[in-house]
Amino acid sequence: AQSVTQLGSHVSVSEGALVLLRCNYSSSVPPYLFWYVQYPNQGLQLLLKYTTGATLVKGINGFEAEFKKSETSFHLTKPSAHMSDAAEYFCAVSGNQFYFGTGTSLTVIP
Amino acid sequence: EAGVAQSPRYKIIEKRQSVAFWCNPISGHATLYWYQQILGQGPKLLIQFQNNGVVDDSQLPKDRFSAERLKGVDSTLKIQPAKLEDSAVYLCASSPRLAGFTDTQYFGPGTRLTVL
Repeated sequence: AQSVTQLGSHVSVSEGALVLLRCNYSSSVPPYLFWYVQYPNQGLQLLLKYTTGATLVKGINGFEAEFKKSETSFHLTKPSAHMSDAAEYFCAVSGNQFYFGTGTSLTVIP
Repeated sequence: EAGVAQSPRYKIIEKRQSVAFWCNPISGHATLYWYQQILGQGPKLLIQFQNNGVVDDSQLPKDRFSAERLKGVDSTLKIQPAKLEDSAVYLCASSPRLAGFTDTQYFGPGTRLTVL
């Protein structure tokens, strides 16, 4: 079985500050891990995914995430927040099923 | 490349009525998914098709929900009869390969259902 937990349903950062969105997973099989972003009234868009190999994954819009097996984590980061990053972010895990977390709403303060 | 299309975008019905949603995936995509996203929650997978066959419908409430994918292309999701707790956004997604849950999924804009 798989599951994901996103810590913090709401995160606020100042424009230009570091963005850190937390995701921990549980999986009985080697996981594939994903981060999706959802802008208001739009569908989800893939930011990045981890399958195998390099544990630091780079995605679109300057985001990256690091797979840490020992900590069962896949936190999403971006060095400098932009106003356009304000959105809902979902972590997801897949194995023999596919599960999304409950989401983190990111607010960027000008 | 055209994205995943869904219609209608919004639907308001009364409880016990029936409703259907339509999805047209990206051309050539083998796998199609339907998700239910209740306000404040992450999307929950309802059903997955590979071509026109059902791969996983373990979380589909089969007493009231049904889905089909004719000719391995378009898909419809139906609710009959609707309950208040069915109010949600219904998302359709597709992925290129027959790769289970490991492939990148491309999402449509969703259909927002309100049941009164």
